[in-house]
Amino acid sequence: SQTIHQWPATLVQPVGSPLSLECTVEGTSNPNLYWYRQAAGRGLQLLFYSVGIGQISSEVPQNLSASRPQDRQFILSSKKLLLSDSGFYLCAWSNPGRGAGNTIYFGEGSWLTVV
Amino acid sequence: AQSVAQPEDQVNVAEGNPLTVKCTYSVSGNPYLFWYVQYPNRGLQFLLKYITGDNLVKGSYGFEAEFNKSQTSFHLKKPSALVSDSALYFCAVEAGTALIFGKGTTLSVSS
Repeated sequence: SQTIHQWPATLVQPVGSPLSLECTVEGTSNPNLYWYRQAAGRGLQLLFYSVGIGQISSEVPQNLSASRPQDRQFILSSKKLLLSDSGFYLCAWSNPGRGAGNTIYFGEGSWLTVV
Repeated sequence: AQSVAQPEDQVNVAEGNPLTVKCTYSVSGNPYLFWYVQYPNRGLQFLLKYITGDNLVKGSYGFEAEFNKSQTSFHLKKPSALVSDSALYFCAVEAGTALIFGKGTTLSVSS
């Protein structure tokens, strides 16, 4: 069966510091991978998605970036955090394909507080 | 552009009563619609989805959803609510490779 791991679960970072959140998926090949952000416990905002190694699509211009160095690894980064980057970050995966009604499965999330 | 709307921020229901969480959609083409649930400080869990076929979709934990094309709705339902159903519920629509989510509805079930 497929599993998704996301870490760290919680972190507190000062303004201007770098960020690295990691996500790995097991039990599948060539998955679609996603980063979503949830602010104030409400709606989810799609940040990045990837359909393959080195292929990253950005949905929202900001000081965050994503990379996919391996087939089942997805990393969210920032060089300098802003207070507005605080939130709950969710990594997710789905089977490959577009417009196929594929279910997206989420990790347990990472709480980021920028102080 | 694909979008979904959840008109209620909160739904309150007594345990044992039926519950409905509303969702309407706007899509071009065939709608692929989803419901997810989120418990506090946790990731989202998939409940059910509509791709095609029967308008009544059955999912996890006794939930079901009714797809209504004429009303562009996809409401989540359960015949008898449990206190443990209290959580945040999201409706979503497929847009290309990703899902676009509604703002969420908090369901509160009282004992």
